[in-house]
Amino acid sequence: RKEVEQDPGPFNVPEGATVAFNCTYSNSASQSFFWYRQDCRKEPKLLMSVYSSGNEDGRFTAQLNRASQYISLLIRDSKLSDSATYLCVVIKAAGNKLTFGGGTRVLVKP
Amino acid sequence: NAGVMQNPRHLVRRRGQEARLRCSPVKGHSHVYWYRQLPEEGLKFMVYLQKENIIDESGMPKERFSAEFPKEGPSILRIQQVVRGDSAAYFCASSLNKAATNEKLFFGSGTQLSVL
Repeated sequence: RKEVEQDPGPFNVPEGATVAFNCTYSNSASQSFFWYRQDCRKEPKLLMSVYSSGNEDGRFTAQLNRASQYISLLIRDSKLSDSATYLCVVIKAAGNKLTFGGGTRVLVKP
Repeated sequence: NAGVMQNPRHLVRRRGQEARLRCSPVKGHSHVYWYRQLPEEGLKFMVYLQKENIIDESGMPKERFSAEFPKEGPSILRIQQVVRGDSAAYFCASSLNKAATNEKLFFGSGTQLSVL
């Protein structure tokens, strides 16, 4: 089983719609969680950290469910520019390296 | 804009040659991470270095691959006797402190290695 798993997609989303997807992690000792965005094989860019209480940044909402060991990302009012691959990232409690999921591809269409 | 600089952006090598990938971290950052991304896959951790020291190389193949981060100069990822399976995008990232919590990693634009 992979340490961090994501549905590869693609999620085809009409412009203006809401899309949500999850990421599961296998190590219960994982401490920190992030969502990164990657465009067309360019470098990943931090989208947002994920906090235990859940957090929101504009149209983006991230949630953490420690009991079920998954995090989620919800995008409201999708824009064409939201088309990208969204990478789930986990850091283990005693570790110092980011473990990436395989990414979920989102395609927003007019 | 003194972000993470990687060069070359694209590197073409024939099987059996050596590939050297360079990474200059953000000024003042002493922690460097190398990741590899194969086509249609996520980023895979390779190695974590802190000035002159390899801290974690658990993701490095046992043979042909080596990394260094000297006191002066960029971090170097070296691949000897490249094979077609080494073709991938190699990303370098740096951080000011150890990326243990919410420390932000700054990624370079990557080096796309193509082995013919």
